[in-house]
Amino acid sequence: GQNIDQPTEMTATEGAIVQINCTYQTSGFNGLFWYQQHAGEAPTFLSYNVLDGLEEKGRFSSFLSRSKGYSYLLLKELQMKDSASYLCAVRDGSADSWGKFQFGAGTQVVVTP
Amino acid sequence: GAGVSQSPRYKVAKRGQDVALRCDPISGHVSLFWYQQALGQGPEFLTYFQNEAQLDKSGLPSDRFFAERPEGSVSTLKIQRTQQEDSAVYLCASSVDILSYEQYFGPGTRLTVT
Repeated sequence: GQNIDQPTEMTATEGAIVQINCTYQTSGFNGLFWYQQHAGEAPTFLSYNVLDGLEEKGRFSSFLSRSKGYSYLLLKELQMKDSASYLCAVRDGSADSWGKFQFGAGTQVVVTP
Repeated sequence: GAGVSQSPRYKVAKRGQDVALRCDPISGHVSLFWYQQALGQGPEFLTYFQNEAQLDKSGLPSDRFFAERPEGSVSTLKIQRTQQEDSAVYLCASSVDILSYEQYFGPGTRLTVT
């Protein structure tokens, strides 16, 4: 199975940068994902890492280190609309659970003016 | 095109009643996932399908939960004899296939058991 840990809440000012860390322990790994979820809405896909390194996508970047079981999501030039929960998820790569996703509890990001 | 749709959006059931939650995935998507999300938590995996085949149902909490996708498109999650602990948002997601890295989530069904 997977254990996924991420901070519960982070607060940052509009225009600033916030980094959300995620650590995981896995019996099989087939990719790490970040999703954004606004209150009362469905999660929406932000990024995917399967190899070590940084993936950049506009204001959002995601980093992965498989050997350390560590990822982060970097949000730059924060906007008020970025206030949401950010979910880290790992896709299982083990033979008996291949393709299964496990999500962390989410990090609530609060952007203040 | 249309995204993933779910119905009903809200369901209130008395303890002991059976409920059926429907998911219409994006047309042509082969993989379909069901999740349960409690307030303030991340989605918890329940089960997933590849076409009509249910490949993994290890996340279903008890034998009161049953999911099907008989024709490989629409899926139904059924909960028998609902209990208060079943109260949650039930999310459905679909993807092009099991190798696809992007899942598209539906709006969810909020189930409240009284």
